[in-house]
Amino acid sequence: GAGVSQSPSNKVTEKGKDVELRCDPISGHTALYWYRQSLGQGLEFLIYFQGNSAPDKSGLPSDRFSAERTGGSVSTLTIQRTQQEDSAVYLCASSNPTGNNEKLFFGSGTQLSVL
Amino acid sequence: TQLLEQSPQFLSIQEGENLTVYCNSSSVFSSLQWYRQEPGEGPVLLVTVVTGGEVKKLKRLTFQFGDARKDSSLHITAAQPGDTGLYLCAGGAGRRALTFGSGTRLQVQP
Repeated sequence: GAGVSQSPSNKVTEKGKDVELRCDPISGHTALYWYRQSLGQGLEFLIYFQGNSAPDKSGLPSDRFSAERTGGSVSTLTIQRTQQEDSAVYLCASSNPTGNNEKLFFGSGTQLSVL
Repeated sequence: TQLLEQSPQFLSIQEGENLTVYCNSSSVFSSLQWYRQEPGEGPVLLVTVVTGGEVKKLKRLTFQFGDARKDSSLHITAAQPGDTGLYLCAGGAGRRALTFGSGTRLQVQP
């Protein structure tokens, strides 16, 4: 597609349920990022995939969070046993890193609400 | 942990006024980017600066990277309602993921 696509755009779930968020990056982009954004705030880094390298998972807030990227393309972020504090917008971005001039292209995000 | 602090957090001004937004860190970054985000959308890249002391201009927007590559500023001249949004700075350091600042919410009143 022309841009980064995320689905669903909105997800309402009950506390304790598992959720899966999907990201389709721009074709050919080797890097994929997941960030979390609370209402009107900055972006909190979650996880970073770059090519065939081991992902940088240093931003995942707990072991309830996991992500995978299949075939170097589509990525799924899974949150198990959701809690109310998980409510936020989850943003995915992709890029083709070239030296110091990496440009991230973001999707519109998934608004997650945990009741 | 690399942190980027932005100030002010909120700014409400009248159309035609000038403003400056600051992005500060105790860490050195190899590059500094500025993004703008509108409601319901992801951030969109405005500019990348990579050299200490570098100044870039994008129409009414002027971006500066500090000499020590620890801070940056964004200056908007004669702000327009279309400039309204959340402005985010982001620091790059080698192969690590970008570190984003806390954001500055700008409201330009017509």
